Amino acid sequence: DAGVTQSPTHLIKTRGQQVTLRCSPKSGHDTVSWYQQALGQGPQFIFQYYEEEERQRGNFPDRFSGHQFPNYSSELNVNALLLGDSALYLCASSSGDSGLPNYGYTFGSGTRLTVV
Amino acid sequence: QKEVEQDPGPLSVPEGAIVSLNCTYSNSAFQYFMWYRQYSRKGPELLMYTYSSGNKEDGRFTAQVDKSSKYISLFIRDSQPSDSATYLCAIATNAGKSTFGDGTTLTVKP
Repeated sequence: DAGVTQSPTHLIKTRGQQVTLRCSPKSGHDTVSWYQQALGQGPQFIFQYYEEEERQRGNFPDRFSGHQFPNYSSELNVNALLLGDSALYLCASSSGDSGLPNYGYTFGSGTRLTVV
Repeated sequence: QKEVEQDPGPLSVPEGAIVSLNCTYSNSAFQYFMWYRQYSRKGPELLMYTYSSGNKEDGRFTAQVDKSSKYISLFIRDSQPSDSATYLCAIATNAGKSTFGDGTTLTVKP
């Protein structure tokens, strides 16, 4: 049973560019959440998608946007990259529009984004 | 002020020691209290969670929640080198958005 898969694993981008990160949820899960984890810090919630809609959003600017597809996979897009966007981007999946642990909240291994 | 503050560490203990990891939080609306383990270059892995207050035990791991003092703890008994990782506390309301601490890095020396 495949868990949460994220691609690519690593990415280097130049300041000002745009990036798209991808996530496939665990089998049976329909809800996807995205987090940003800077070095030495805990994950920070970006947003959560369910039924192809953004359901909750953390304190991130509009440069961060997302999408969920009918097969429940998701993309995170970041425009006008800043050096401070360098971080590990984590995707978590769960079921039933919930980000709670009793709904099987499972993280992927993340995409390491470096902005130079 | 951050919603959740975690003792920063790092912690280094000998094999077999009892480890105590701690967090405090500020919002009494939080109902779910989680502990995650994160190995280097991996995503967080849920170790255990508690709803509301009280204790929960799973093998060598015990999670405690004291809602009166807004304090949560994770105890690891008979620590092993394989327990070496970063431990993250996280809290959530019933709405489901998790807020994480910044993690404590634990090293268990053989």
